[in-house]
Amino acid sequence: GENVEQHPSTLSVQEGDSAVIKCTYSDSASNYFPWYKQELGKGPQLIIDIRSNVGEKKDQRIAVTLNKTAKHFSLHITETQPEDSAVYFCAASSAQKLVFGQGTRLTINP
Amino acid sequence: GAVVSQHPSWVICKSGTSVKIECRSLDFQATTMFWYRQFPKQSLMLMATSNEGSKATYEQGVEKDKFLINHASLTLSTLTVTSAHPEDSSFYICSARDPLAKTQYFGPGTRLLVL
Repeated sequence: GENVEQHPSTLSVQEGDSAVIKCTYSDSASNYFPWYKQELGKGPQLIIDIRSNVGEKKDQRIAVTLNKTAKHFSLHITETQPEDSAVYFCAASSAQKLVFGQGTRLTINP
Repeated sequence: GAVVSQHPSWVICKSGTSVKIECRSLDFQATTMFWYRQFPKQSLMLMATSNEGSKATYEQGVEKDKFLINHASLTLSTLTVTSAHPEDSSFYICSARDPLAKTQYFGPGTRLLVL
């Protein structure tokens, strides 16, 4: 089955700097890659997703890149703000079922 | 994004009682809903996939008699934790798949504490 590895597990950056979180997946049939942001005590919130027919997608300060050959995808957050502090999860899916990475705790230092 | 609600948001119960959690998709019809369990500082663990009008599909190691799932309509799925014990204490999160957007949206979660 699919296996998703996410790195780093924790990430601390200065406000205004960029943050990058990386994920690798094992199943070449996976074709959908969402990213979720989870704040303490809340459910995950979809922030951006990408499908296998696209290499990059951007939404304001957030971007995701996908390299299908290498089976890895990354989340890029630019001009980080304190409200970006949260746990971020990547996921991969070939059918309907999502397989999640282990999560990255992002802390933005003012 | 689409809205998925969960009720209750938190529940405290005595050991041996049953607890029902509701998950609703508010602005789309979800033929498929999912139930996850999350322990502190860990990732989401899929418990089961719920399809409207049919039996749920449980992940390996999840007791179907312990965690009863019903998906009676296109906007409602329920998870019942039967004869709850302290080890069932956890954060339970549902998600619903929007078939048009082909995207999964999560509910706010239900924190269960079994005393």
